[in-house]
Amino acid sequence: AQSVTQPDIHITVSEGASLELRCNYSYGATPYLFWYVQSPGQGLQLLLKYFSGDTLVQGIKGFEAEFKRSQSSFNLRKPSVHWSDAAEYFCAVGDRGGGSNYKLTFGKGTLLTVNP
Amino acid sequence: DTGVSQDPRHKITKRGQNVTFRCDPISEHNRLYWYRQTLGQGPEFLTYFQNEAQLEKSRLLSDRFSAERPKGSFSTLEIQRTEQGDSAMYLCASSLGVTRNYGYTFGSGTRLTVV
Repeated sequence: AQSVTQPDIHITVSEGASLELRCNYSYGATPYLFWYVQSPGQGLQLLLKYFSGDTLVQGIKGFEAEFKRSQSSFNLRKPSVHWSDAAEYFCAVGDRGGGSNYKLTFGKGTLLTVNP
Repeated sequence: DTGVSQDPRHKITKRGQNVTFRCDPISEHNRLYWYRQTLGQGPEFLTYFQNEAQLEKSRLLSDRFSAERPKGSFSTLEIQRTEQGDSAMYLCASSLGVTRNYGYTFGSGTRLTVV
């Protein structure tokens, strides 16, 4: 079964600093990979997604992520964090085919705190 | 508003009562999903509709839970005889179901508190 591990439960960075959120997945083939952001009490907003091709994908709000097959990782990065980026971030993997290519498996999330 | 709408936003109910939540997906989206998110966890898949057909149910969806999507438009999720363990955020999402659009649009969720 597929799974997602986000090793960092909580990360604190200063405004303007760079950010990297880690995500490792377990899947039998090349997966669909996603990053979502959730503000308190809100639903999830899609930041970016990887299906195939270029392993560095650009998303909204200045975020990017890099797919590394050899490390089974899909880490999220941002060069300069803004206070409004404080939220919870979820990595997810989707089945790439077959009868279950609609279901996402999420990690437990990383809570990002931004200090002024 | 062309997003996914969920109603109500919050629901407090007494243990043993029945509750029903509604989700209105983006109108052209043929796929609709329900997820449940408990505190400190990521969302977990509950069930999935393609048009009006319910194609899969998670084992998390006990026989107290039922979901419908009549006419392939809005969907309802009903929980009968609620238990404290049902307290969670219930998220609805929709998608067009084609590869380039794979990546759901989520609603803001219904937060259920069972007291």
